[in-house]
Amino acid sequence: DTGVSQNPRHKITKRGQNVTFRCDPISEHNRLYWYRQTLGQGPEFLTYFQNEAQLEKSRLLSDRFSAERPKGSFSTLEIQRTEQGDSAMYLCASSGGDLYFGPGTRLTVT
Amino acid sequence: GENVEQHPSTLSVQEGDSAVIKCTYSDSASNYFPWYKQELGKRPQLIIDIRSNVGEKKDQRIAVTLNKTAKHFSLHITETQPEDSAVYFCAARYGGSQGNLIFGKGTKLSVKP
Repeated sequence: DTGVSQNPRHKITKRGQNVTFRCDPISEHNRLYWYRQTLGQGPEFLTYFQNEAQLEKSRLLSDRFSAERPKGSFSTLEIQRTEQGDSAMYLCASSGGDLYFGPGTRLTVT
Repeated sequence: GENVEQHPSTLSVQEGDSAVIKCTYSDSASNYFPWYKQELGKRPQLIIDIRSNVGEKKDQRIAVTLNKTAKHFSLHITETQPEDSAVYFCAARYGGSQGNLIFGKGTKLSVKP
C-alpha cells in the first residue's frame, strides 16, 4: 500500500441514478478527506473524517451527498439522484500530517 | 467564511526565467500552507509547504515565503524548465492542526522552451 486508491476511476451514469465511490487511504493515516474538482478550479472541500468520525461537512454540500467511514479505514461517498451539475472529478485524500491525494473518480452525469 | 485567493490565474514565462504565484488567506489562525502541482489528467502532488513559525523555506529551485501580518504567501520557481508547466494550487489549513485545507483556484504555468 503505497498511496491513496480510488474506485472506480470513471463512472458514467444517467441523471437520477445513485452512485457510490470508494476510497482506500494510506494505511497509517487517520484523517480522510473528500474533495470535488471541476475543470479550471481548485479542489473544493466536501467532508472529512478523523478515524470513523465525520468531523466536518461543507455547508455547500447537498443532502443528496453522504459519506461513511465505518471502520476508520476505507470510505465511501454516495450521491443520490444525480444531476448533471454533479459531473466532476471526486478526489479522496488522506493525511497523517501532509495531505496526499488519490487519482480521483471522474463522474459524468448524462 | 474561509477563503484563499490566488493570482495570477495564468502565467507564461520563458525557460530559465523565474515564476511567482501569490496567495492570500482570510483566517489569521491558519498555520499551515502547502503548494500542490497538478499535471494534466493527474492528481495534485504536494511540492512544498510552510508553517507559520517560519517566514521562508527553500527546496532546490522552489521557495515559499509567508507574511502572516499581511496574510499572504508566495511560491517562487527559479530557472524554470518546460517540465514545470502545470497548474499550481496554494492552500491554507483552517480549524487548527486537525482542520481541513481550503484551496485557491489555481495558476496555470506555461514554460516556453
